[in-house]
Amino acid sequence: QVQLQESGPGLVKPSETLSLSCTVSGGSISRDYWSWIRQTPGKGLEWIGYIYHSGSTNYNPSLKSRVTISADTSKNQFSLNLSSVTAADTAVYYCTRGGGWLPDSWGQGTLVTVSS
Amino acid sequence: EIVLTQSPGTLSLSPGERATLSCRASQSVTNNYLAWFQQKPGQAPRLLIYDASSRATGIPDRFSGSGSATDFTLTISRLEPEDFAVYFCHQCAHSPITFGQGTRLEIK
Repeated sequence: QVQLQESGPGLVKPSETLSLSCTVSGGSISRDYWSWIRQTPGKGLEWIGYIYHSGSTNYNPSLKSRVTISADTSKNQFSLNLSSVTAADTAVYYCTRGGGWLPDSWGQGTLVTVSS
Repeated sequence: EIVLTQSPGTLSLSPGERATLSCRASQSVTNNYLAWFQQKPGQAPRLLIYDASSRATGIPDRFSGSGSATDFTLTISRLEPEDFAVYFCHQCAHSPITFGQGTRLEIK
């Protein structure tokens, strides 16, 4: 059974870049779809984007100008970079896996706060 | 973007009762690629139902999904204490993938 674990700073300053990694065990990131989803009390669950076949990506248009998702097959990890963050980007960030677009396995989530 | 609207916002029921949760899409969800998730405090969402009516692995048969096109329902036939949580619907037919705002199922 695939397991996912998010890692990265819990505090990011406004205007800087939020960077998170997701380590995958029990599955290969060379296959399937690997997504980032975030959750806030105000906006609920928001899909950020996914990477598949270790290189092709698809992003939410609302975040596309600021998002990059990449993969490192040697570490079986994929990563999220979100630039020019504001307080509105404060959220719990989840990494997920899906056989298709459906996120059927989730990491435990990591809280990222944007504050000076 | 497909907007998913869930109702009610909060549902207050007792253990043993039947729960019916609704999810309405702003446009037809192709192939009924509509899923339901359960989320408990401090935990990640857990997949319950996919393709509108298929139970995910390990999900008890008291959970069932139905519906098509724009109207979908999650039914919990007899509520157990562990079922009180927040439930989200989700469509993965059209990009961007979207979620409903959630229904909170609370103990009456």
